[in-house]
Amino acid sequence: LAKTTQPISMDSYEGQEVNITCSHNNIATNDYITWYQQFPSQGPRFIIQGYKTKVTNEVASLFIPADRKSSTLSLPRVSLSDTAVYYCLVAAHGSSNTGKLIFGQGTTLQVKP
Amino acid sequence: DTGVSQNPRHKITKRGQNVTFRCDPISEHNRLYWYRQTLGQGPEFLTYFQNEAQLEKSRLLSDRFSAERPKGSFSTLEIQRTEQGDSAMYLCASSPGWVADTQYFGPGTRLTVL
Repeated sequence: LAKTTQPISMDSYEGQEVNITCSHNNIATNDYITWYQQFPSQGPRFIIQGYKTKVTNEVASLFIPADRKSSTLSLPRVSLSDTAVYYCLVAAHGSSNTGKLIFGQGTTLQVKP
Repeated sequence: DTGVSQNPRHKITKRGQNVTFRCDPISEHNRLYWYRQTLGQGPEFLTYFQNEAQLEKSRLLSDRFSAERPKGSFSTLEIQRTEQGDSAMYLCASSPGWVADTQYFGPGTRLTVL
């Protein structure tokens, strides 16, 4: 499974856009890029997933360049409730794979008023 | 609420005791995973079920750990002869198991071994 590298921590202020970049230089052809969010004492929560280019949902956007060796999670206009740990993961999907997720330490985002 | 549920949410036990945790996945999901998370770290994979078959176990899962998923529904994780190093959050996740599936996590069981 491809290893990911992301900043340990980031600070932001309410109302700002936050971009968290993740490096995954050894990503394989059948790997997808997935981001999870985790609040203290809760299980991780799926935010967004993509394979290439750009994906957007009601919570975030995910930008993936053509070489797929990195990805950027973009959170528009963050609020205090977005303070959490954000994990970037890459994993192969499909019935022939276990789908187990390999988490790193994640990025702790602190949103300040 | 039809999400993943885990019981109990908290468990305090004395070293050497046995503990069992339960996970109820989302009903139509055939894949079930157990992870362990210690303070300041991301979750670590423990084991994986496809329906009732346990298909993969991490080397983190010592012989004191056992997991079952009878009839491919709920799952249990048992830890025998608990040690202080077993103190952690135990997370369960389920997924439908098709292409580009997503894992849905439960709230976890916080284990404290005294």
